[in-house]
Parts: sequence; structure tokens; C-alpha cells
Amino acid sequence: NAGVTQTPKFRILKIGQSMTLQCTQDMNHNYMYWYRQDPGMGLKLIYYSVGAGITDKGEVPNGYNVSRSTTEDFPLRLELAAPSQTSVYFCASSSGTTNSPLHFGNGTRLTVT
Amino acid sequence: GENVEQHPSTLSVQEGDSAVIKCTYSDSASNYFPWYKQELGKRPQLIIDIRSNVGEKKDQRIAVTLNKTAKHFSLHITETQPEDSAVYFCAAIRGGGADGLTFGKGTHLIIQP
Repeated sequence: NAGVTQTPKFRILKIGQSMTLQCTQDMNHNYMYWYRQDPGMGLKLIYYSVGAGITDKGEVPNGYNVSRSTTEDFPLRLELAAPSQTSVYFCASSSGTTNSPLHFGNGTRLTVT
Repeated sequence: GENVEQHPSTLSVQEGDSAVIKCTYSDSASNYFPWYKQELGKRPQLIIDIRSNVGEKKDQRIAVTLNKTAKHFSLHITETQPEDSAVYFCAAIRGGGADGLTFGKGTHLIIQP
């Protein structure tokens, strides 16, 4: 089983550029999430989705956008990249049943210079 | 929203000794408390979880305790081994969990040989 797959693994962007971080899962999970991880700060929720066509903001949504056209895919879009968006980004999914655990992808390390 | 505090930020123990990591949460409606282990450069992986109707759960050398009245929960690792060296995150979620886990800032556990 592939689980949650993220691409790319690494990326360097210049300030003002845009990019899309891809996330796909093959577990037929309804719930999907994007977190960012900064050193010493834990994981902070950017956006989440409870099903195709439904998305909502998390704790730190500014500078990002998402879409959920299918159950499998949940891409994260960065518009006008800024140095503050340098981070490691994790996509995760869960079945959405009560107290179901999160399954994480391997992460995307993004540097904005 | 939920706020999770985690202590200590760094913990160094001798191999074979026990390690304890503590977390507190703010939302009394939270009812699911997972712990994740993250090795350097890898994704967080679930190691144990506890639900609010249980006070303690054990899995081999790791255990988690929950005090709902005081709103705190702890991870206990006994007979620590070098492979236990990692960053550990506690988390909390309420209700159906659609809006994702709230994470603590992490504890870097160092096992001294």
C-alpha cells in the first residue's frame, strides 16, 4: 500500500514564485489535512477537507490555497512565495471515524529564498 | 480553539532508564490523545493513543496516562534504548475530529549510551 504520497520531496523557490504541493492517498479516506512543521514549533494546521468539494481553513491558512476535486487528491497551492513559508509540509489523511489516527505522507521540504 | 502544551522540550536519559513526557490541553471537549514519534528527516508516526474513557494504556515499553479532571496526559517509556531517540509529539482532538489534531511543540528525547 502506498498510503499518503507527497511530491516533490524538496523544492527551492524564489520570492514571488508559485508552486503546488501534491498529495494523494489510496486508502479511500474522507478527511485530509495539510500541516507545516517549523523547528521547535510542532505541526500547525494549514487547511483541511472532510470530503471532495469541501475545504476549510486551519490555524495558519494565509498565503495558501487548496482544492479537493476528488477523494484521493488534496493539492496545496502557494501563491507569491515568501521566506516565511520556508518549512516542511506534511499531508495527512484519516478515515474520519471517531478517533481515527492520522496517516502522514513523507513531507515536502520547501525553501524560499 | 484547543491549545496543547508539552514539556520538556528536550529530555536526556541514560540508556535503560525511564523517560516521561507531559502534556496539558485546554479544551475539555477533547476526547482523543495520540502520541507521535518522529525520527530525523522522517514523517511522524503514531506510537500509542488513548481515548477519554480510559485512564491508562500500555503497549510493551510505552504507556500513556490521562487525567481528564486536570486535563493532562503523559507518555512513559521504560527501559529506554538507543532507537527511542527521536522527537515525540502529543496531540489532542475533540468530537468527530474533522478539524484535525492540535499538536504540542515536541520533545527531543536523547538516549545516552
